Amino acid sequence: QVQLQESGPGLVEPSETLSLTCTVSGGSVSSDTYYWTWIRQPPGKGLEWIGYISYTGTTSFNPSLTSRVTMSIDTSKSQFSLKLSSVTAADTAVYYCARDVEAYSGTYYDYFDFWGQGTLVIVSS
Amino acid sequence: SSELTQDPAVSVALGQTVRITCQGDSLRSYYASWYQQRPRQAPVLVIHGKNNRPSGIPDRFSGSRSGNTASLTITGAQAEDEADYYCSSRDSSGDHLVFGGGTKLNVL
Repeated sequence: QVQLQESGPGLVEPSETLSLTCTVSGGSVSSDTYYWTWIRQPPGKGLEWIGYISYTGTTSFNPSLTSRVTMSIDTSKSQFSLKLSSVTAADTAVYYCARDVEAYSGTYYDYFDFWGQGTLVIVSS
Repeated sequence: SSELTQDPAVSVALGQTVRITCQGDSLRSYYASWYQQRPRQAPVLVIHGKNNRPSGIPDRFSGSRSGNTASLTITGAQAEDEADYYCSSRDSSGDHLVFGGGTKLNVL
């Protein structure tokens, strides 16, 4: 059973950089079927896709966040990371890491089959 | 704003059938996936693709698509199905993923 676990500071000061790491266990990150994904959810609001990274380092980011987002992956440690710069209170959210499976059924599509438990990051001074 | 539109809330009587919908132009090209999120828990995948249920998801959950609308149907809703439901798919460009705004399901 694949498990994902987020880690990182729960409090970040405004204008600073939010940094989170997701550790994957029970499976390999080195597959071209999977995209390693970050998703967030502000308190009381819906889910927002932040972006993903493949094991080769290919990335795709939410257009609304792309100027502030960096992702990296360390296949030797089965970890991938998120950095979000110049944070404001609007970036306060529960941050989830998840595994995106790229499937095919007449057309390619995606689904998130495994999720971390989520970690709350508060942006405040 | 999301490229996928969901009704904010839907109600269903215990044991009855309910359909939760997700609309968006990209759904003409890409299948949706559906997630159940109970309070203070991470989302759980319930349906993906044409109509695929992960192991452990009850068969009362099913999915379908027609035109620009994807639907999640719960046949014989149970009290434990009360939760928020989110759809997700690729956006119109095909390069990014997007979530619908979510539907709160109330089981009466």
